[in-house]
Amino acid sequence: GIQVEQSPPDLILQEGANSTLRCNFSDSVNNLQWFHQNPWGQLINLFYIPSGTKQNGRLSATTVATERYSLLYISSSQTTDSGVYFCAVDVLNTGFQKLVFGTGTRLLVSP
Amino acid sequence: GAGVSQSPRYKVAKRGQDVALRCDPISGHVSLFWYQQALGQGPEFLTYFQNEAQLDKSGLPSDRFFAERPEGSVSTLKIQRTQQEDSAVYLCASSLAPKFDTQYFGPGTRLTVL
Repeated sequence: GIQVEQSPPDLILQEGANSTLRCNFSDSVNNLQWFHQNPWGQLINLFYIPSGTKQNGRLSATTVATERYSLLYISSSQTTDSGVYFCAVDVLNTGFQKLVFGTGTRLLVSP
Repeated sequence: GAGVSQSPRYKVAKRGQDVALRCDPISGHVSLFWYQQALGQGPEFLTYFQNEAQLDKSGLPSDRFFAERPEGSVSTLKIQRTQQEDSAVYLCASSLAPKFDTQYFGPGTRLTVL
């Protein structure tokens, strides 16, 4: 099956710093989503981004589908950004959106 | 409703007990998904419903796992004769359309089997 790898696995930042998270996937996909799982376990949608670039406040994401990777940029990080970031891809050849999640990046932002 | 809700939020079961986990999707959402998330890992797909039809159950770990959505809204995931390896967070998600749409996740049910 498709492999979805994220890097780095762990990241510690000082509040105010910027960071880039990467998601590589091994096969063509229909689309890609980025999620933030907060310390209470809630998965929150950040971006639905099959290709191109999107921005939402301090966050932005870029997916280059032809090269099978996506990047999540966090600028001016805040302590509330702490948690685990997952990318998830929708595999081809299914009649519904069957998500395969990546390995995750655990982010800790310290004050 | 405002979002996907799940109950109970926490469940402790003795090995061998049966458990039932409930998911209330966002009103009007056609698609409903169940995922299992082990500690320190990403969620893994269990099963998919389109309205009341269970179209894919390829991720269910064993025949002890059973899911239903009889009226096309609320769904229940049932685990019979629970084992310690069933301990995990069970997440439910829904989306308006089956394909090319955002999935919205509930808060999850943390199951601990002693």
